[in-house]
Amino acid sequence: DVKVTQSSRYLVKRTGEKVFLECVQDMDHENMFWYRQDPGLGLRLIYFSYDVKMKEKGDIPEGYSVSREKKERFSLILESASTNQTSMYLCASSFGASGRPGEQYFGPGTRLTVT
Amino acid sequence: GDSVTQMEGPVTLSEEAFLTINCTYTATGYPSLFWYVQYPGEGLQLLLKATKADDKGSNKGFEATYRKETTSFHLEKGSVQVSDSAVYFCALSYGGSQGNLIFGKGTKLSVKP
Repeated sequence: DVKVTQSSRYLVKRTGEKVFLECVQDMDHENMFWYRQDPGLGLRLIYFSYDVKMKEKGDIPEGYSVSREKKERFSLILESASTNQTSMYLCASSFGASGRPGEQYFGPGTRLTVT
Repeated sequence: GDSVTQMEGPVTLSEEAFLTINCTYTATGYPSLFWYVQYPGEGLQLLLKATKADDKGSNKGFEATYRKETTSFHLEKGSVQVSDSAVYFCALSYGGSQGNLIFGKGTKLSVKP
């Protein structure tokens, strides 16, 4: 079974803090993704990566950065957390071109509250 | 640009009722279509998919048919159970090396005993 794990299920941070959300997958997937999920807005793509040290902006990258130093790990960084970044953050991974396009495997999510 | 539109929820049904969740898409090419499900407190998981027109995806009693003429991929189940209570997301992807998904906003289903 593919497993995607996220470092925390719940996180509470203060405005202005630097926040790290970690995601690890164990299936040797090339692609990894960070989404945020908000009521009424569905899932929105923040950043994705299709290879180690590679990253691409998604639909809402402002206020976020990412790091992918190893194939299995993809980190989302909030440089200076703000209250409008309170949300559910979901990580996902998938095979690259050789695999099954569009089939993504999701972690359980991190519910981040910024106060 | 490409987009996915789902019926707004929440949808509330009694156990054993018939379920339809409507999904239509706008696409410039020929995408694959997906339904993902999110159970309470969990991440999303793939429910079913279809890769070309007239394909039918099915899993766990759920079905959806890729209709190119109506640009639709409606999710159906003949008899829902309480355990089907979840949020359902329709999505499309063109595949390629990155396989990015474009999601609808999700439809929450509650099934009452």
